[in-house]
Amino acid sequence: GAVVSQHPSRVICKSGTSVKIECRSLDFQATTMFWYRQFPKKSLMLMATSNEGSKATYEQGVEKDKFLINHASLTLSTLTVTSAHPEDSSFYICSARRSGGPTDTQYFGPGTRLTVL
Amino acid sequence: GENVEQHPSTLSVQEGDSAVIKCTYSDSASNYFPWYKQELGKRPQLIIDIRSNVGEKKDQRIAVTLNKTAKHFSLHITETQPEDSAVYFCAVTYNFNKFYFGSGTKLNVKP
Repeated sequence: GAVVSQHPSRVICKSGTSVKIECRSLDFQATTMFWYRQFPKKSLMLMATSNEGSKATYEQGVEKDKFLINHASLTLSTLTVTSAHPEDSSFYICSARRSGGPTDTQYFGPGTRLTVL
Repeated sequence: GENVEQHPSTLSVQEGDSAVIKCTYSDSASNYFPWYKQELGKRPQLIIDIRSNVGEKKDQRIAVTLNKTAKHFSLHITETQPEDSAVYFCAVTYNFNKFYFGSGTKLNVKP
């Protein structure tokens, strides 16, 4: 199947710093990528939808100035957690929409474990 | 917005038995219903999906049924094996605009 990578896989940072997470579709072009947050033993919560060349669409309750999303190319979307605090610690997962062919499909990245001290 | 409910939250079965997980949704316009398997600390993996123009789909031991009228769909795993143990999530979307996930089912297959 298609491959989506995320970098870094794990990051520990101090409170107040910013952290950038990259999501790449390695073997297909993704006009749409999604960013999710997952708490331990919980479901995936959609944070925002990232569209190449346009502004991201954020879900209700997600601070767009806190979670900056940039989808600069058809294979890369980035999520920057600005001025991170301990409550931002979580598992962040991206996914990329693969279009074309008989049907669309969504492929997930491996996730990034963020720990804010 | 869409409301997705998933049951049960935990499910224990004996190896070889069948497991059934059910999801209901609220938006009748939703037209794509995937199921994901997630192991601890790993990414969700698509195991089967169904679109709104189909009532049932099967792939070896895994099947999904969709009842559009009642707005529910179910995952069926037959002849369960210990390696089927994981958390399973259903999801719902209309034209891939947004995905809404169920709360997850932790499946434990006892050898």
